[in-house]
Amino acid sequence: GEDVEQSLFLSVREGDSSVINCTYTDSSSTYLYWYKQEPGAGLQLLTYIFSNMDMKQDQRLTVLLNKKDKHLSLRIADTQTGDSAIYFCAEKEGGYQKVTFGTGTKLQVIP
Amino acid sequence: NAGVTQTPKFQVLKTGQSMTLQCAQDMNHNSMYWYRQDPGMGLRLIYYSASEGTTDKGEVPNGYNVSRLNKREFSLRLESAAPSQTSVYFCASSEGAMNTEAFFGQGTRLTVV
Repeated sequence: GEDVEQSLFLSVREGDSSVINCTYTDSSSTYLYWYKQEPGAGLQLLTYIFSNMDMKQDQRLTVLLNKKDKHLSLRIADTQTGDSAIYFCAEKEGGYQKVTFGTGTKLQVIP
Repeated sequence: NAGVTQTPKFQVLKTGQSMTLQCAQDMNHNSMYWYRQDPGMGLRLIYYSASEGTTDKGEVPNGYNVSRLNKREFSLRLESAAPSQTSVYFCASSEGAMNTEAFFGQGTRLTVV
């Protein structure tokens, strides 16, 4: 079955870049996502990448996809205290409705 | 826009009690999902409904039942609650198979004592 893995915790200083990593096992994944969960809230989509892309940039966010290694990363430039949250990597197989989520990485931004 | 609405937000149950978690979406989405979130385990899919009239098991369906009442509503029922079902439950919806985004409700924090 599908498996999506992330490290549980990351701490960075305000103004630095954050890099959150994710590995997945399903080679038939068509969409890969990054969701953000703020305390006490549901998940919100931050960005996504199609499996035929290597990189996607959206303002302070850069997503890198290495299909050979099944590795996805999210880079947040100039990290702010408001970026403190749990970040979930997720993947979806083509033609299926299910989205498989990783364990989430808690990002702590130190002022 | 309300998006995805879940009720209740909090619930405490005694072991063996039953309850239904309600979820409704107003985005005319075809697909709806129920996840549970536990510390260190991320989100795990309990059940999903690809379209009105269909439901399928996810990763952790034991102890739960679902009903896709209509296109808007997808409920999750615990027939006999157990302490292992203490969790935060999220309902989500998405447009369909080619959709790129799932929209989540605010969650229901359930404690079974």
